[in-house]
Amino acid sequence: EDKVVQSPLSLVVHEGDTVTLNCSYEVTNFRSLLWYKQEKKAPTFLFMLTSSGIEKKSGRLSSILDKKELFSILNITATQTGDSAVYLCAVDGSSGGSNYKLTFGKGTLLTVNP
Amino acid sequence: DGGITQSPKYLFRKEGQNVTLSCEQNLNHDAMYWYRQDPGQGLRLIYYSQIVNDFQKGDIAEGYSVSREKKESFPLTVTSAQKNPTAFYLCASSMYHNTEAFFGQGTRLTVV
Repeated sequence: EDKVVQSPLSLVVHEGDTVTLNCSYEVTNFRSLLWYKQEKKAPTFLFMLTSSGIEKKSGRLSSILDKKELFSILNITATQTGDSAVYLCAVDGSSGGSNYKLTFGKGTLLTVNP
Repeated sequence: DGGITQSPKYLFRKEGQNVTLSCEQNLNHDAMYWYRQDPGQGLRLIYYSQIVNDFQKGDIAEGYSVSREKKESFPLTVTSAQKNPTAFYLCASSMYHNTEAFFGQGTRLTVV
């Protein structure tokens, strides 16, 4: 059974801090790893990672994948209160054809205090 | 504006009643999905559809049914056979089934 484990489950920081969120996975067929931010209702897409060692960056957020060690990290620098959200990691373990398998972790609840 | 619209946002139903959640997208996406999210849990896949008139069961399909008669629409019916239907339901779509998905705002279903 495919498994995605995120850590920590929750985190409280002060504005300006840097945080690192972790996502480890065990899947039979790996196609990609995705990060989403869920503030209140709809998760919004952040990154899709398919290759090891290539950092993806968007403003203060960055993410990298290690396919050998089976994990990814999401970094947020100079955190702001608007970064407060649940961050979801998901792994696409589809094996091709009509098969589709996206497994989500439980998420990390990040709270940024002013 | 392009996007995914779920309705209603909140839904209350009595136990034993079937209820249908609506999901419409105007992104011209081929693939659509239904997820269920419970407190402290990740998203779990109920059903997905890659093309019109075709859909596949996800990990927790029991007690649910779907249809895909139009590309834009993927309604989910929560039947009386679903033992614990109270949850937050999210619909999503993507261009193909292995690209990033875009989510609707969700429907919170409460069965009393």
